[in-house]
Amino acid sequence: NAGVTQTPKFQVLKTGQSMTLQCAQDMNHEYMSWYRQDPGMGLRLIHYSVGAGITDQGEVPNGYNVSRSTTEDFPLRLLSAAPSQTSVYFCASSYLDRGGQPQHFGDGTRLSIL
Amino acid sequence: QQPVQSPQAVILREGEDAVINCSSSKALYSVHWYRQKHGEAPVFLMILLKGGEQKGHEKISASFNEKKQQSSLYLTASQLSYSGTYFCGTEKRSDYKLSFGAGTTVTVRA
Repeated sequence: NAGVTQTPKFQVLKTGQSMTLQCAQDMNHEYMSWYRQDPGMGLRLIHYSVGAGITDQGEVPNGYNVSRSTTEDFPLRLLSAAPSQTSVYFCASSYLDRGGQPQHFGDGTRLSIL
Repeated sequence: QQPVQSPQAVILREGEDAVINCSSSKALYSVHWYRQKHGEAPVFLMILLKGGEQKGHEKISASFNEKKQQSSLYLTASQLSYSGTYFCGTEKRSDYKLSFGAGTTVTVRA
């Protein structure tokens, strides 16, 4: 099994450009989420999903959109990139079991916005 | 809201012990602990579900005081491989959001 696959691994954008970070998992996990990691601030939840067609906001959702059309995929869209969105982005997935399931993380996407 | 972790950083010599604390202002349903090596993804260590529950992973163990909404991670007889940043993640009873603290950087020296 590949686990959680994120693409691309690195990306440089110009301010105002749009792009989609891809996340796919092959473990049939119901729960998927996106985090951003900035120095000194840990992992902050952007959006999450408990199943296909169901998404909800996390702690820092502004500037990001998500959709979940299949169980396997959970793309994160930046509509108009800003320098403040320079960060490392992690996608994670797990079975949907209240509190009892470990999160499986992808390797991350390192995004720089100039 | 993100849970609060302390200390921010700790430096140990091999064989020494350390405690990392995690606290929340919200009633908690579970606490997760992860370790992240530099440039890598976080890796799962353990989950605590019940108040007062303790779990262990090699010489790394944790406790969860549900009444105080606090959890502590215990690094016992630390090894060089324990170096990394430790994150606690907390989940409330009302939703599925898993919120992480800012992390505690642990450096173990020979």
